[in-house]
Amino acid sequence: EAGVVQSPRYKIIEKKQPVAFWCNPISGHNTLYWYLQNLGQGPELLIRYENEEAVDDSQLPKDRFSAERLKGVDSTLKIQPAELGDSAVYLCASSFNPSGEQYFGPGTRLTVT
Amino acid sequence: AQSVAQPEDQVNVAEGNPLTVKCTYSVSGNPYLFWYVQYPNRGLQFLLKYITGDNLVKGSYGFEAEFNKSQTSFHLKKPSALVSDSALYFCAYPGNTPLVFGKGTRLSVIA
Repeated sequence: EAGVVQSPRYKIIEKKQPVAFWCNPISGHNTLYWYLQNLGQGPELLIRYENEEAVDDSQLPKDRFSAERLKGVDSTLKIQPAELGDSAVYLCASSFNPSGEQYFGPGTRLTVT
Repeated sequence: AQSVAQPEDQVNVAEGNPLTVKCTYSVSGNPYLFWYVQYPNRGLQFLLKYITGDNLVKGSYGFEAEFNKSQTSFHLKKPSALVSDSALYFCAYPGNTPLVFGKGTRLSVIA
């Protein structure tokens, strides 16, 4: 069984530039999550999808961050414009349902210069 | 407020010795609790979970965790540590927002 796929693995951009991350969850997993992880800390939820519906985006900085999961499968997280403080690892995870164990992708390490 | 706490930032143990990574919880009702591991430059991997039933939960890679209601703890254990167990370990619970993570404990197993 293929795991959660994320791309790119690494991204370096200048501040004020846009950036997008892509995630393909495990087949059949209806719930998809985007997390932000700063160095030495635990992941923090940005947004959770149930199928194509964003059911929890309270922690998503909506002035610059956006996400979509149009067909209820893969998802894209975008930042525009990026700021220096956005440098972090962005993790995607999926689960069969909201209470089940989550399976994480390898993450995208973003560096904003 | 509901939370999990990992009181140790770093745990060092010699290879072959037993290891314990501590987690305490402050969660109302019957808590669901999880342990995840993160190896360098990789995403988190699920180790085990407690939902109900037997207080000793067995998980992946020889790890187990003991749920202790009186001490509000869910410590991760392994009888004999391997160098390859060196990683970052996270305790988590599914709050109103699914999976709230502790700050993590870095485990170093020394050969």
